[in-house]
Amino acid sequence: EIVMTQSPVTLSVSPGERATLSCRASQSVGSRLAWYQQKPGQAPRLLISGASTRATDIPARFSGSGSGTDFTLTISSLQSEDVGIYYCQQYDRWPPWTFGQGTKVEF
Amino acid sequence: QVELQESGPGLVKPSETLSLTCEVSGDSITSSYWSWIRQSPGKGLEWIVYRFYRGSTGFNPSLKSRVTTSLDMSKNQFSLKLTSVTATDTAVYFCARHPNLNWFDAWGQGILVTVSS
Repeated sequence: EIVMTQSPVTLSVSPGERATLSCRASQSVGSRLAWYQQKPGQAPRLLISGASTRATDIPARFSGSGSGTDFTLTISSLQSEDVGIYYCQQYDRWPPWTFGQGTKVEF
Repeated sequence: QVELQESGPGLVKPSETLSLTCEVSGDSITSSYWSWIRQSPGKGLEWIVYRFYRGSTGFNPSLKSRVTTSLDMSKNQFSLKLTSVTATDTAVYFCARHPNLNWFDAWGQGILVTVSS
């Protein structure tokens, strides 16, 4: 099973500033990585697939990069509605599909 | 726009069977793979099982012995059964669309299932 590790656990960012979230895989997953955003009481929402491709209707301030074992999600200018928990997920080797433990983004 | 809605009991007794249904609207159940995922404070997001309308099914090895799934094309819904539940199965259970067995691009709102006597 591929283990996904996210850092930091909590990220405090001022409105308008850049947020940088990291995700590391225990073995290479190529570019087969997705990012999700989850707000309290809601289901996760797909942000990024293929490590860098934004999903439908996702704002351009969200960008993904990386390949192999190290990945980054960047929010270029944090908005109030971006507060929540962000998860990465690999889909290279399965079952099982595995998620990171999440990074909480707060002001 | 696809919508998924989980339903089932919110409370299950230890050793009994957890049964949930996911109703899909806005898309055909034959169009994709469909999965169940759960979320608990202790284990985070955990993928459980996937199902395809032609019968293909895949299980999380850690849960395989206790999980069954079915799909009803006439009702456009799929289901989950988890047997012999314990308190560690307490979680929010989500159903999700799982295109090409890659990412999960549509989720239900989730249903909290508590295992307690």
